Amino acid sequence: SAVISQKPSRDICQRGTSLTIQCQVDSQVTMMFWYRQQPGQSLTLIATANQGSEATYESGFVIDKFPISRPNLTFSTLTVSNMSPEDSSIYLCSVVTGLYEQYFGPGTRLTVT
Amino acid sequence: KNEVEQSPQNLTAQEGEFITINCSYSVGISALHWLQQHPGGGIVSLFMLSSGKKKHGRLIATINIQEKHSSLHITASHPRDSAVYICAVAHSGGGTDGLTFGKGTHLIIQP
Repeated sequence: SAVISQKPSRDICQRGTSLTIQCQVDSQVTMMFWYRQQPGQSLTLIATANQGSEATYESGFVIDKFPISRPNLTFSTLTVSNMSPEDSSIYLCSVVTGLYEQYFGPGTRLTVT
Repeated sequence: KNEVEQSPQNLTAQEGEFITINCSYSVGISALHWLQQHPGGGIVSLFMLSSGKKKHGRLIATINIQEKHSSLHITASHPRDSAVYICAVAHSGGGTDGLTFGKGTHLIIQP
């Protein structure tokens, strides 16, 4: 199993600023993902956080807007840059274990004003 | 791209009722996940299926690979089962390239 914590749990930010979300896992995992859930919408994969190399972004998401770091096998950060109200979402970190089990963090609820 | 459709979108039932939530997808998958999301946003994985049927307590999940369809059943439903239930599919390696999610079914169980 894997226990995931995220910081902050929620934040209210002003337009044009940036927020960095942290994801900490209690065990080493190879596969780590960042998802976004906009209000009333399904979760959408932003990127795969690769340890020691650049993240792999899905269509519609770019590194300049959502830079990701993965310095080791238990930690990753996602930054939401130059925020606009459209970035108001829940951001979730997720990992896949060696047994293909999915675990999700508690989420970061972001409101941009 | 896989399209994941869930039905119903919203479901209100009385305590004790048998609940069924359906999920269909358009492209072959390696695994299907049923997830539960509570109002605070946190998500818990309920089941991962690649074939057949799984049971955990009052929850039962089935999948028909040929028909590209899965169902989640809740027996003897209880108000604490109220949550959003999400179907998600993995295309390779059980999800090592991320998941594609349905929009969720908002379930309310009234006492």
